[in-house]
Amino acid sequence: QSVLTQPPSASGTPGQRVTISCSGSSANIGRNSVNWYQQLPESAPKLLIYNNNQRPSGVPDRFSGSKSGTSASLAISGLQSEDEADYYCAAWDDSLNDPYVFGSGTKVTVL
Amino acid sequence: QVKLVQSGAEVKKPGASVRVSCKTSGYTFSGYYIYWVRQAPGQGLEWMGWMHPRSGGTKFAENFQGRLTMTRDMSISTAYMELSSLRSDDTAVYYCAREKERIVDFWGQGTLVSVSS
Repeated sequence: QSVLTQPPSASGTPGQRVTISCSGSSANIGRNSVNWYQQLPESAPKLLIYNNNQRPSGVPDRFSGSKSGTSASLAISGLQSEDEADYYCAAWDDSLNDPYVFGSGTKVTVL
Repeated sequence: QVKLVQSGAEVKKPGASVRVSCKTSGYTFSGYYIYWVRQAPGQGLEWMGWMHPRSGGTKFAENFQGRLTMTRDMSISTAYMELSSLRSDDTAVYYCAREKERIVDFWGQGTLVSVSS
């Protein structure tokens, strides 16, 4: 089981806003930055958000990240069909032998 | 442009070892950590460990202690991950990725390792 908890699924119609949560603890999200990855079917993960809310070059501004306390969120506004993918949060963890931990993943479906 | 290109799919028997390569280009190999992450069929991402190419230093996830080796060949900017004593539940896609200043940005395309008798 993953150290970071995400809902297994989320969905929306085109144009809607979808939010994905990522719950952790004081050892990981509470004291370290969060990254978000998008994984399209049969593809490698792609960095979507780093340092809680920063977008790499080329990532549309429809994607935004935030963090508060021991939780983080990814928001997708203006949902598009190509956003249908799995989304993972990740953070460094200071309490475990495994210093980099992933969330359980959320499947986003565009209805 | 930054590229991480991994070796092809492997089929192994239980108890065997597998080595996956990750050939990098488009950046200074010695300046970034190389992470290895795996994904079992239909499952999430699992961090396996990291290596710093300049020093060769490594850190492995607890689940892989004693079975995992990470090496590199600086002359060809390539990292290697070797997993031994393979079991059926090691069947997964294995990814390499680079990291610097806590940003894991570029990933390889993945290598499917199938373990079956």
